[in-house]
Amino acid sequence: NAGVMQNPRHLVRRRGQEARLRCSPMKGHSHVYWYRQLPEEGLKFMVYLQKENIIDESGMPKERFSAEFPKEGPSILRIQQVVRGDSAAYFCASSPMGVGRNTEAFFGQGTRLTVV
Amino acid sequence: GNSVTQMEGPVTLSEEAFLTINCTYTATGYPSLFWYVQYPGEGLQLLLKATKADDKGSNKGFEATYRKETTSFHLEKGSVQVSDSAVYFCALGGTDKLIFGTGTRLQVFP
Repeated sequence: NAGVMQNPRHLVRRRGQEARLRCSPMKGHSHVYWYRQLPEEGLKFMVYLQKENIIDESGMPKERFSAEFPKEGPSILRIQQVVRGDSAAYFCASSPMGVGRNTEAFFGQGTRLTVV
Repeated sequence: GNSVTQMEGPVTLSEEAFLTINCTYTATGYPSLFWYVQYPGEGLQLLLKATKADDKGSNKGFEATYRKETTSFHLEKGSVQVSDSAVYFCALGGTDKLIFGTGTRLQVFP
């Protein structure tokens, strides 16, 4: 059973371009979470999705950022018109049900976005 | 709201020293508590967890006890190794997402 797969592992974009980050959850997992890790900082929650639904996007910047988790295919985190401050590691996690008592989330290896 | 506070790092130890990384939390209800570890250039891996008060999670020589009276979940290891060098994150679950502390970098020297 493959783990959470994120691609690309490294992504370089020029300011103003779009960045698309992909996350394939573990088999059987229908809950996906995106986190952002700035250099030397902790993980900040961005968005929580189930298939075709956004459950909680309280950590997502209001502009330029969007996320989806379609019925078929991976979850996508999309950043439009990237700026230098978007440079960070973006981690995806998945779980078979909502994270809660005795339910852990499994993390991918992250996508490291560099905006030049 | 729910939150997690970890001691700041880096924590620098010699091999075979005793390790404690403090973690306290603020939460409503009865959250689950987790420790995750991140090795350089990698994602997070679950190290251990506890789901109710007085539970002790343990793995690879690491332990942490869920203390409701002190709202704490301190990570301990009796004898660290160089290979334990990593960033350790305390996290709180039980809501619709995991809430992480800021992480504590551990550096172990031979």
